[in-house]
Amino acid sequence: AQSVAQPEDQVNVAEGNPLTVKCTYSVSGNPYLFWYVQYPNRGLQFLLKYITGDNLVKGSYGFEAEFNKSQTSFHLKKPSALVSDSALYFCAVSSYQTGANNLFFGTGTRLTVIP
Amino acid sequence: EPEVTQTPSHQVTQMGQEVILRCVPISNHLYFYWYRQILGQKVEFLVSFYNNEISEKSEIFDDQFSVERPDGSNFTLKIRSTKLEDSAMYFCASRAGGHPLSGEQFFGPGTRLTVL
Repeated sequence: AQSVAQPEDQVNVAEGNPLTVKCTYSVSGNPYLFWYVQYPNRGLQFLLKYITGDNLVKGSYGFEAEFNKSQTSFHLKKPSALVSDSALYFCAVSSYQTGANNLFFGTGTRLTVIP
Repeated sequence: EPEVTQTPSHQVTQMGQEVILRCVPISNHLYFYWYRQILGQKVEFLVSFYNNEISEKSEIFDDQFSVERPDGSNFTLKIRSTKLEDSAMYFCASRAGGHPLSGEQFFGPGTRLTVL
């Protein structure tokens, strides 16, 4: 069965430091990988996706993520964290195993950037 | 910037009552979804809807659930007889088109349903 793991419920990082939010997945076939962010009282906002091609994908607000097929990972990164990056981050995957039309989510990681 | 909107933001109901959760997807989008998140758990797919019919549904989406696009702008989720375990945050999402696996979905802010 498919799965998405976000091993850290909470990540704290100092403002200006690099941040990483981890995600690993398990799915049959080629994965399509997504990161979404949720700010308080807002919907999930799309950050970036990996479909095919270059393993390093760049997204909104300076975030990037690296697809690693051998480690089945898709970690979210940012070189220099901002206080405004504090939010809940969700990794998600779709594939022909999850169904042609839906996203399979991880449990989310709460990022807190400390001023 | 267009957004998916959902009403109400919070719904409290008694067990056994019917509830309707409402969503207004982005206007030119073609594909519509409902997801839910039980507190502390992952976001789970419920159902997808395209061309006025359900295109896919999960095991969670049993006979007590139904969806409708009554007027070309709203997209509703009805739970006929709520149970305690239906308490969750319900997210609506929409997608413009394109490849079903790779096109990004746009999410609403959610409706928190509390069943007492």
